[in-house]
Amino acid sequence: QVQLQESGPGLVKPSETLSLTCTVSGGSISSYYWSWIRQPPGKGLEWIGYIYYSGSTKYNPSLKSRVTISIDTSKNQFSLKLSSVTAADTAVYYCARGPSLTLEYWGQGTLVTVSS
Amino acid sequence: DIQMTQSPSSLSASVGDRVTITCRASQSISSYLNWYQQKPGKAPKLLIFAASGLQSGVPSRFSGSGSGTDFTLTISSLQPEDFATYYCQQSYSIPQTFGQGTKVEIK
Repeated sequence: QVQLQESGPGLVKPSETLSLTCTVSGGSISSYYWSWIRQPPGKGLEWIGYIYYSGSTKYNPSLKSRVTISIDTSKNQFSLKLSSVTAADTAVYYCARGPSLTLEYWGQGTLVTVSS
Repeated sequence: DIQMTQSPSSLSASVGDRVTITCRASQSISSYLNWYQQKPGKAPKLLIFAASGLQSGVPSRFSGSGSGTDFTLTISSLQPEDFATYYCQQSYSIPQTFGQGTKVEIK
């Protein structure tokens, strides 16, 4: 059974860069599409972007200028960097796996708060 | 971006009730529509893919239908563990987008 686990700082200062890592276990990262999704407290879901195992990426245009998703197949991990964060970036961040844009497996999520 | 609109935003139902949730896309998305269930403090869980495909391990009381712009998620007989928020998601084009959610509460 594939499992995903997000990790990273739970508190980030405004204007700094949010960095999260998703570790995949129970299966190889060398296939499928690997996504990041976020959910502000009490609100709905927003797709941030994905990376294919080959390294090709697609981002949500609303965040594209601030987002970088990368993959490390040797560690079975992929990562998210979101720059110039503001309070509006406070959310639970999820990593997920899917065949293309369908999100079949999800991590448990990690809350990131942007505050000084 | 393709806008996804769910209705209702919330509903109250009793155990054993048949429940229907509707999702409308702002343009045709063929059958590229998925449904997720989310319980408080938990990650969403894929229930239905490609409009009507039942994800492995999901009870058969869940079903999906529709194509083009109008889609439906049906729970044939609501169970206590089904009280949750349900989201539709279009996987037709980037950015993939979600509906605003439908909260199913106990009556």
